Amino acid sequence: GAVVSQHPSWVICKSGTSVKIECRSLDFQATTMFWYRQFPKQSLMLMATSNEGSKATYEQGVEKDKFLINHASLTLSTLTVTSAHPEDSSFYICSANDAGTSGRATTGELFFGEGSRLTVL
Amino acid sequence: GESVGLHLPTLSVQEGDNSIINCAYSNSASDYFIWYKQESGKGPQFIIDIRSNMDKRQGQRVTVLLNKTVKHLSLQIAATQPGDSAVYFCAETQGGGSNYKLTFGKGTLLTVNP
Repeated sequence: GAVVSQHPSWVICKSGTSVKIECRSLDFQATTMFWYRQFPKQSLMLMATSNEGSKATYEQGVEKDKFLINHASLTLSTLTVTSAHPEDSSFYICSANDAGTSGRATTGELFFGEGSRLTVL
Repeated sequence: GESVGLHLPTLSVQEGDNSIINCAYSNSASDYFIWYKQESGKGPQFIIDIRSNMDKRQGQRVTVLLNKTVKHLSLQIAATQPGDSAVYFCAETQGGGSNYKLTFGKGTLLTVNP
């Protein structure tokens, strides 16, 4: 099956610093990627939809300037947590759907990365 | 044992028993549903999906049932194994499966006792 890779898998940073998390589709192209946040023992909450070559669409309540998303290519989306604070500590997960060789969604499957655990001290 | 939906976030079963995990959804416009398995510290793993024009779909050891009348979804796992221990989430979306903006349920922790 298709693989979505996230890096880093875990990161610890000091309060006030910025952290970048990468999401890569390794063997397929993804015009759309999704970023989720998951707090311990809770469900996944959609943060934003990342569109290749255009601005991300953020869910209500998610700060655009705090969570910067860039989707510069069909295989890479990045999430940057700016000026991180302890309350930003969470498990961040991305997902991507296979756009197929034509660039349009053809296979109808959504693949998730293994997640990136952020701890802000 | 049978879960009674999101009000019971944990389910403990004996190895070899059948497990039933329930999920209630609220959006009557949802027409595509997916069950995911999430092991500790990992991302969700696709188990099985179902479209709203079906009420039952079977996979390997798993069956998903959909009752649109009461907006209820269930996942049945046959002959539950220790490796099935994980948190199980249902997810819903609209658009017949071409829209992957998913809304996840709260999840159920399944523990399989040897």
